[in-house]
Amino acid sequence: QKEVEQDPGPLSVPEGAIVSLNCTYSNSAFQYFMWYRQYSRKGPELLMYTYSSGNKEDGRFTAQVDKSSKYISLFIRDSQPSDSATYLCAMSPITQGGSEKLVFGKGTKLTVNP
Amino acid sequence: ETGVTQSPTHLIKTRGQQVTLRCSSQSGHNTVSWYQQALGQGPQFIFQYYREEENGRGNFPPRFSGLQFPNYSSELNVNALELDDSALYLCASSLAVSQETQYFGPGTRLLVL
Repeated sequence: QKEVEQDPGPLSVPEGAIVSLNCTYSNSAFQYFMWYRQYSRKGPELLMYTYSSGNKEDGRFTAQVDKSSKYISLFIRDSQPSDSATYLCAMSPITQGGSEKLVFGKGTKLTVNP
Repeated sequence: ETGVTQSPTHLIKTRGQQVTLRCSSQSGHNTVSWYQQALGQGPQFIFQYYREEENGRGNFPPRFSGLQFPNYSSELNVNALELDDSALYLCASSLAVSQETQYFGPGTRLLVL
């Protein structure tokens, strides 16, 4: 079993739809949870960063973490064609010095059609 | 404030050769992490450098090595290249304080023939 599981899609939705992206994980040591957006041939761009269970909202994006179920979600409201990209979930345990060593899912490719 | 930069952007090598990839961290960041992203996969952690020392390593063989310099820039070296080393190599920098996270560069795309 992989540490982080993410459905690679592809996912295709009409403009304005609500998008739900999900990851599950198996390592109870994971404490930090992130969502990155990656456009084709670019590096990942941080969208959301959460530390604990619960919801975090930033504009049209909402990140949800359920540690009891080992399940995280990203919701995109009023999706736009510019949201078309690959969305990567990433997570990390608490580290001793330095920064988090991220474990990524495979990424979900999203297309928002005008 | 400048972001993370990487060079070169693209590189073609043949099997058995050696390659060096470079990364300049974002201004004020003291930690650099390297990731390998194969086509259609998520990035995989190679190793991290913090204050010029290796600070954690993923499941990569010793032919993957690195350096961090006093200005916090970093190099990734890969010896004895194999076809499976073809991937996008990503560098991420961060400031190693509580609950900070990493900002990625655009990557170097390596093709091994």
